[in-house]
Amino acid sequence: SAVISQKPSRDICQRGTSLTIQCQVDSQVTMMFWYRQQPGQSLTLIATANQGSEATYESGFVIDKFPISRPNLTFSTLTVSNMSPEDSSIYLCSVVRQGGTEAFFGQGTRLTVV
Amino acid sequence: GESVGLHLPTLSVQEGDNSIINCAYSNSASDYFIWYKQESGKGPQFIIDIRSNMDKRQGQRVTVLLNKTVKHLSLQIAATQPGDSAVYFCAENNDYKLSFGAGTTVTVRA
Repeated sequence: SAVISQKPSRDICQRGTSLTIQCQVDSQVTMMFWYRQQPGQSLTLIATANQGSEATYESGFVIDKFPISRPNLTFSTLTVSNMSPEDSSIYLCSVVRQGGTEAFFGQGTRLTVV
Repeated sequence: GESVGLHLPTLSVQEGDNSIINCAYSNSASDYFIWYKQESGKGPQFIIDIRSNMDKRQGQRVTVLLNKTVKHLSLQIAATQPGDSAVYFCAENNDYKLSFGAGTTVTVRA
């Protein structure tokens, strides 16, 4: 399996501010994704983090709200911008290793916006 | 739109009994499905997967069944243990992008 480290593990933020979440993987991976899990709900794909280029966003998610970076094969960031209480969720990084098919998840970042 | 979903939101099972968790999907073109287990405060953990060219796959204490005719997926857990208490999700894998069902919370009674 891949070892995925997400930082921070949790945070409480004021509305109107932004939070950047980091995802670091212990080995090179081909694909990196960001998911959102709203309280008591399932996971929804936000975007695919593409190395060296703009992320590919799913319907309902836009770059201005969720800018994503992926400068290399093992690291990505997700920023939640201009936060509102509705952004309170768990944000999870997911990766697929080179040569693999299985998607591994980080432990998630639990965000509360007040 | 097409989606992956689960039949029941909760399942209570006696320790030692077998558990069956169901999932219905609507996209007939789907060819790869995965079951995940999510414990409190953790990310989803891969349990088992199955491709559409199979109707059954077994792992350690788990079996996944796929019925393409009725677009139904199930996860069977044998001899359920307290450590099996978690939320279980089925997911449809399309080019590594996962579409998750709603989740079933499994509670194991001692």
